[in-house]
Amino acid sequence: DTGVSQNPRHKITKRGQNVTFRCDPISEHNRLYWYRQTLGQGPEFLTYFQNEAQLEKSRLLSDRFSAERPKGSFSTLEIQRTEQGDSAMYLCASSLGGAEKLFFGSGTQLSVL
Amino acid sequence: KQEVTQIPAALSVPEGENLVLNCSFTDSAIYNLQWFRQDPGKGLTSLLLIQSSQREQTSGRLNASLDKSSGRSTLYIAASQPGDSATYLCAVRLITGGGNKLTFGTGTQLKVEL
Repeated sequence: DTGVSQNPRHKITKRGQNVTFRCDPISEHNRLYWYRQTLGQGPEFLTYFQNEAQLEKSRLLSDRFSAERPKGSFSTLEIQRTEQGDSAMYLCASSLGGAEKLFFGSGTQLSVL
Repeated sequence: KQEVTQIPAALSVPEGENLVLNCSFTDSAIYNLQWFRQDPGKGLTSLLLIQSSQREQTSGRLNASLDKSSGRSTLYIAASQPGDSATYLCAVRLITGGGNKLTFGTGTQLKVEL
């Protein structure tokens, strides 16, 4: 068990470019979550998966955002046509079930120039 | 809408002091409450999880309590050390909406000085 792994750790991109982040959860965890955190704030929920099914999406997740978990293992979060307001830390978390502890990765820090 | 508030926003204490961090939430219909620690530029580390039926949880020098009826939780840190310096976040899992997400407070930034 190596914990939740996120790549890359940092991403700098120009406005209008597409970016993709990857999350590898703890192997036996069936739930995977994406959160976004801006400076001085707590994380905000974006979406979650149970196995390969995406079961809930926040209204924060605009049409430019898409997340997948094709085989119920790793997940990707893609942001198309990035905007400066997308600059934030993107955090992935996993859990064994709904009522269990969430374990977070180290996050991907996105800077949109 | 659930709101989670943490007071104080920042706290500085001398090493060895016992301290209490506070978390309040407006909707008491929760599954559980979780306390996290976050170091600068890093992800979150889970500290303690309290189910709605529980009153407290302990791990080492940490003790978290939950009073669901009043919408409050406290995190007690005994004999603080410089290594405890970090931001502490509480988060609640609401029953409303299926209980599929955590709602976080904005955190308390703790500094323990030598």
